[in-house]
Amino acid sequence: NAGVTQTPKFRVLKTGQSMTLLCAQDMNHEYMYWYRQDPGMGLRLIHYSVGEGTTAKGEVPDGYNVSRLKKQNFLLGLESAAPSQTSVYFCASRERGPQHFGDGTRLSIL
Amino acid sequence: DAKTTQPPSMDCAEGRAANLPCNHSTISGNEYVYWYRQIHSQGPQYIIHGLKNNETNEMASLIITEDRKSSTLILPHATLRDTAVYYCIVRVAGTGGGNKLTFGTGTQLKVEL
Repeated sequence: NAGVTQTPKFRVLKTGQSMTLLCAQDMNHEYMYWYRQDPGMGLRLIHYSVGEGTTAKGEVPDGYNVSRLKKQNFLLGLESAAPSQTSVYFCASRERGPQHFGDGTRLSIL
Repeated sequence: DAKTTQPPSMDCAEGRAANLPCNHSTISGNEYVYWYRQIHSQGPQYIIHGLKNNETNEMASLIITEDRKSSTLILPHATLRDTAVYYCIVRVAGTGGGNKLTFGTGTQLKVEL
């Protein structure tokens, strides 16, 4: 049982480059979430989805886009990466119970 | 969602009970108290949650005061592997708003020999 899997685990980008972070869950959960965590801070919600085909903005959505074309996948996109987006990104999913988190993607923007 | 206040850090001797406090004085009647922990930058791990009754599971116990304005997470026999940042979060019950969690900065618990 893999749970929540994030791909890639590490990535270094140059300013202005684009990339997509993938979150996959095998628990058939309806809800999925993307968070970012900066050093010494708690997690902040970027975007979330309450089901396939739906997305909604969280606390810090600017500079990110998301898509939920399949129930099991939630993609986070950076169209033009900026140094301020250097962070650790966590994905989570849930059904009726608590959120289950992936192990994170460490992203550095130079 | 109601804000929470936690001490930034605590120490505990291995084998002793770790008691982590959380204040949530503005909590509403339909808000649950959730506890998560994060071990060394891994993804947060769910521990326990409750509404107004005390709760216990295989990981911890949650004590909520009668007025619900504060709570305490108890790790009965702390081990070195319990060293982590512990987050206390209050969240509205039900499915509205996507069940979002708002994380503060938590309490860094250090368990020592």
